Amino acid sequence: SYVLTQTPSVSGAPGKTARITCGGENIGSKSVHWYQQKPGQAPVLVISDDSDRPSGIPERFSGSNSGNTATLTISRVEAGDEADYYCQVWDSNIDHMVFGGGTKLTVL
Amino acid sequence: QVQLVQSGAEVKKAGSSVKVSCKASGGTFTTYSISWVRQAPGQGLEWMGRIIPAAGLANYAQRFQDRVTITADQSTTTSYMEVTSLRSDDTAMYFCARDRGYRYGFDSWGQGTLVIVSS
Repeated sequence: SYVLTQTPSVSGAPGKTARITCGGENIGSKSVHWYQQKPGQAPVLVISDDSDRPSGIPERFSGSNSGNTATLTISRVEAGDEADYYCQVWDSNIDHMVFGGGTKLTVL
Repeated sequence: QVQLVQSGAEVKKAGSSVKVSCKASGGTFTTYSISWVRQAPGQGLEWMGRIIPAAGLANYAQRFQDRVTITADQSTTTSYMEVTSLRSDDTAMYFCARDRGYRYGFDSWGQGTLVIVSS
């Protein structure tokens, strides 16, 4: 089955840019979704279909996807962005959704 | 905007079963799928399976295929997820989510249902 690889932890300073990556074989050919999950809460979709931002998600969140890596970029990082972030794709071979292992963003 | 409300926390004995509900409101139940996601304590998200309420068709992740059944009742716009032969490692938070297809992601989530399995 399809495997998504995320770095377990990333840190970012307030006001700076944080990048969270999601690796997968030829992931650039798939639609990648990103979720933010804060402790004790349900996940929230922050980016769909590589780079679409759902209503209510700040413009500071953006996404890109090419080759073997998809990237979630958070500009002007804020303390409230501290959370776990998960990428997700559809494995068309077996009609299953797949999540990456998650990345914990720590705001310094 | 679709809202999903799940049933309350459960404490179960190993070997028993649990059935979690997920009631949808604010949308058309037959125009999307409902996926179920598990999160063990301190762990990541794991897709369990989905159901297409309009067709009553479900598919499951391989590791859940033997003990998990996902159903949907169109008359009450409710999806159910049942796990049988519970084990201690089934202790987890279980979420339902609206699944509009591979290009859209899961755009609405239930609040989660904690299932604790005791031996």
